[in-house]
Amino acid sequence: EPEVTQTPSHQVTQMGQEVILRCVPISNHLYFYWYRQILGQKVEFLVSFYNNEISEKSEIFDDQFSVERPDGSNFTLKIRSTKLEDSAMYFCASSSDRQGKLFFGSGTQLSVL
Amino acid sequence: KQEVTQIPAALSVPEGENLVLNCSFTDSAIYNLQWFRQDPGKGLTSLLLIQSSQREQTSGRLNASLDKSSGRSTLYIAASQPGDSATYLCAVIPQGGKLIFGQGTELSVKP
Repeated sequence: EPEVTQTPSHQVTQMGQEVILRCVPISNHLYFYWYRQILGQKVEFLVSFYNNEISEKSEIFDDQFSVERPDGSNFTLKIRSTKLEDSAMYFCASSSDRQGKLFFGSGTQLSVL
Repeated sequence: KQEVTQIPAALSVPEGENLVLNCSFTDSAIYNLQWFRQDPGKGLTSLLLIQSSQREQTSGRLNASLDKSSGRSTLYIAASQPGDSATYLCAVIPQGGKLIFGQGTELSVKP
């Protein structure tokens, strides 16, 4: 069965450093998402992406965050200057239509020291 | 603002029991509702998706129901097994396509 792939599975960084989290969505999907889950809290929506542009973003997704689809297969989340509170599990997801089933990757555990 | 609540927060049952997990949402204007399973430190595995026009969906030992007007969904697990131990998350899609999650029910099935 096709799956969403995320790399790396774990990322440790120093506060203030830039990180890029990578995702390969399911190949025929058109809608892409990033979510995050801080330990012990709910999974939270960050951003959705369609047709090479952001379609919606949450208040968490400030100027320190950006997303990109640099080629036909990858979807990245960049955090420019990481803060301690950015430590979380980051999930990428994709779907074939706007209200369809979302398929999630296994996540990247980001630890900011 | 849509809020999703799941009760109980944790549940422990002996193997073989049938059980029900509950999910409620405050705004009935949803497109669909999705149930996920999350194993510790892992990603989210989609279990069932119920469209807003549907009342229930079944997959193996799992049955999910949806009552939009009352803002409720249940996930029924028949003949529970230790391998069912995980956190079960309910999420709704309101207009716009983003999922709004509940906090999950942590299920433990004892052998």
